[in-house]
Amino acid sequence: NAGVMQNPRHLVRRRGQEARLRCSPMKGHSHVYWYRQLPEEGLKFMVYLQKENIIDESGMPKERFSAEFPKEGPSILRIQQVVRGDSAAYFCASSPGAASTDTQYFGPGTRLTVL
Amino acid sequence: KNEVEQSPQNLTAQEGEFITINCSYSVGISALHWLQQHPGGGIVSLFMLSSGKKKHGRLIATINIQEKHSSLHITASHPRDSAVYICAVRKTGGGADGLTFGKGTHLIIQP
Repeated sequence: NAGVMQNPRHLVRRRGQEARLRCSPMKGHSHVYWYRQLPEEGLKFMVYLQKENIIDESGMPKERFSAEFPKEGPSILRIQQVVRGDSAAYFCASSPGAASTDTQYFGPGTRLTVL
Repeated sequence: KNEVEQSPQNLTAQEGEFITINCSYSVGISALHWLQQHPGGGIVSLFMLSSGKKKHGRLIATINIQEKHSSLHITASHPRDSAVYICAVRKTGGGADGLTFGKGTHLIIQP
C-alpha cells in the first residue's frame, strides 16, 4: 500500500510564475490536509479538503493560493504569481475519515524555491 | 503565546541515555500527535493519543488531559533517533480542522 505521494519533490520558480503542487493520498483516504513549513519555522495548517469539497481553508493566504481535490486525480495546491516569501516546504497529509482521532499520514513534501 | 509549547527546544545526549521531550498546550483538544521529522525533511507519525499511554518499541508517549501535558520518551537512545520531534494537537470547538503544531525539539544523539 503506497503512502502519500507528493510531486514534484523540489520545485524552482521565478517570481511571478505559477507553482502547482500535487498530492495523491493513501489508497482509501478521501481527506487531504495541506501544511506549510517556512524556513526556521514550525508547520502551519493551510487547508483541509475532501473529494470535490473544501472543508476548511482558514489557514490559506487570502490571495494567490488555491486548492482543489477533484473526484478523480490528486489534490492540487496552486500558488499564482509566486514571491520569495512563498519559498517553503509544503506537506500534504491524508486520513481515512474526518474523525479527530484518525491518524494523518504525511507525504514527503515539496520544497518550493522562488528565485 | 503559542498554543502548543515544546521543551526543550534543543537536546543533545549520549547514545543509550533516556530521553524525555515535553509538550504543553493551552487549548481544548480531541487528540495529540507526536511526529518525527528527519534531516531529509520527511514527516512520520509516531503516535496519536487522546488519553493514557502508548508504547512502540523504544518509544513511549503519555498524555495528561487534566494538566494539558504530554511527554515523549525514548529509551536506550541511538544516533538514528536524531531528528526533530514535533507535538501537534487537533483542537476542539470549531476553528481549523487541521493540526496545530509546536515548534519542535531538535534531538541529537551522539555515539
